[in-house]
Amino acid sequence: AQRVTQPEKLLSVFKGAPVELKCNYSYSGSPELFWYVQYSRQRLQLLLRHISRESIKGFTADLNKGETSFHLKKPFAQEEDSAMYYCALRGDNFNKFYFGSGTKLNVKP
Amino acid sequence: GAVVSQHPSWVICKSGTSVKIECRSLDFQATTMFWYRQFPKQSLMLMATSNEGSKATYEQGVEKDKFLINHASLTLSTLTVTSAHPEDSSFYICSASPNRGFTGELFFGEGSRLTVL
Repeated sequence: AQRVTQPEKLLSVFKGAPVELKCNYSYSGSPELFWYVQYSRQRLQLLLRHISRESIKGFTADLNKGETSFHLKKPFAQEEDSAMYYCALRGDNFNKFYFGSGTKLNVKP
Repeated sequence: GAVVSQHPSWVICKSGTSVKIECRSLDFQATTMFWYRQFPKQSLMLMATSNEGSKATYEQGVEKDKFLINHASLTLSTLTVTSAHPEDSSFYICSASPNRGFTGELFFGEGSRLTVL
């Protein structure tokens, strides 16, 4: 069965510090991995996806199939990065998306 | 970008009544829409996949008679919580992807908060 695990419920860092939000997954097929973000009082929105291999707002994420991980990283956190971050897995059937429990990132001034 | 709208944003109802939540894709067509339920400080739990013109497919453990889903057009899916009870109180979120130019991205509605008294 598919599963997405985000072990940290809350991550607090100071502005300018590096940040890494962990995500591990379990899936028998070939999944696509995504990071979605929810800023305060806004709806969920896509941050980045593994197939595009791009950096969005300074964030990057590399899919490590050996470790079944898709950790989100940013070298220098900004206060505006404070939000809820969800790691998501899209299965290869019916386009279903499964989400991790989310990590709240709090960037302190 | 693609916009998904939910209505109502919040609703309070008495125990035993039924509540309908609408999910609309405003500027694109979506054969498939998804309904999620979010408990406080928890993840989004996929409840069901809504398929236009056919029956919804429900995730394990989700009562199909309790949560009725209708996807009558390519831009509208509805979730009806039947005979609601306080334990059904939650935040319900729908999402969809455009039929054309699918990029793998889900677009989310703003969510509907249901409180059952």
